[in-house]
Amino acid sequence: EVQLVESGGGLVQPGGSLRLSCAASGFTFSDHYMDWVRQTPGKGLEWVGRIRNKAHSFTTEYAASVKGRFTISRDDSQNSLYLQMNSLKTEDTAVYYCARTGVHSDQDYWGQGTLVTVSS
Amino acid sequence: DIQMTQSPSSLSASVGDRVAISCRASQDISSNLAWFQQKPGKAPKSLIYAASTLQSGVPSKFSGSGSGTDFTLTISSLQPEDFATYYCQQYNSYPLTFGGGTKVEIK
Repeated sequence: EVQLVESGGGLVQPGGSLRLSCAASGFTFSDHYMDWVRQTPGKGLEWVGRIRNKAHSFTTEYAASVKGRFTISRDDSQNSLYLQMNSLKTEDTAVYYCARTGVHSDQDYWGQGTLVTVSS
Repeated sequence: DIQMTQSPSSLSASVGDRVAISCRASQDISSNLAWFQQKPGKAPKSLIYAASTLQSGVPSKFSGSGSGTDFTLTISSLQPEDFATYYCQQYNSYPLTFGGGTKVEIK
């Protein structure tokens, strides 16, 4: 059974940093691209970014709203995905989901999400 | 960026009804479209990819159609467990973008 479990969310002040983790199991993690998606009450679902697999040199893509502030990485030996968030803004407040990229580039499995609140 | 527009934003329907949700892309995305179902407090669940292909385990009462810029998610014979919010998403080009959602409520 595919499982994705996020952790690391919490309350952080504007300008601060936070690192989210996503532990994957039930599939060959190293084969798949992985995504981060966030959800705010006001803006619905927003794709944050993607990291490709080793065969595609672990290259990344980011939404313009986070580019230069957020970094996606992965550790295939630990079946783990990460989201390093720096220079956080109040508008980054959201539930953050990790998702597995399916063979058609859609997101076929999602974690349960972790809440990030950026507030002073 | 490709804009995804869903309509309606909400609808009320009865158990047993057939409902259709529309999703329009601001430019041609071929068949690179997915549909998700989300219930309150839960993560989105993938229903359909490639515009019309059901994910494994998704019941056949869900169907998707369309290509290019116009797409439809149809739910035949609504059941209580189908009342949720539905989102479309294009994955034709970066950044991936979602529609605003359609909330399906009980009449």
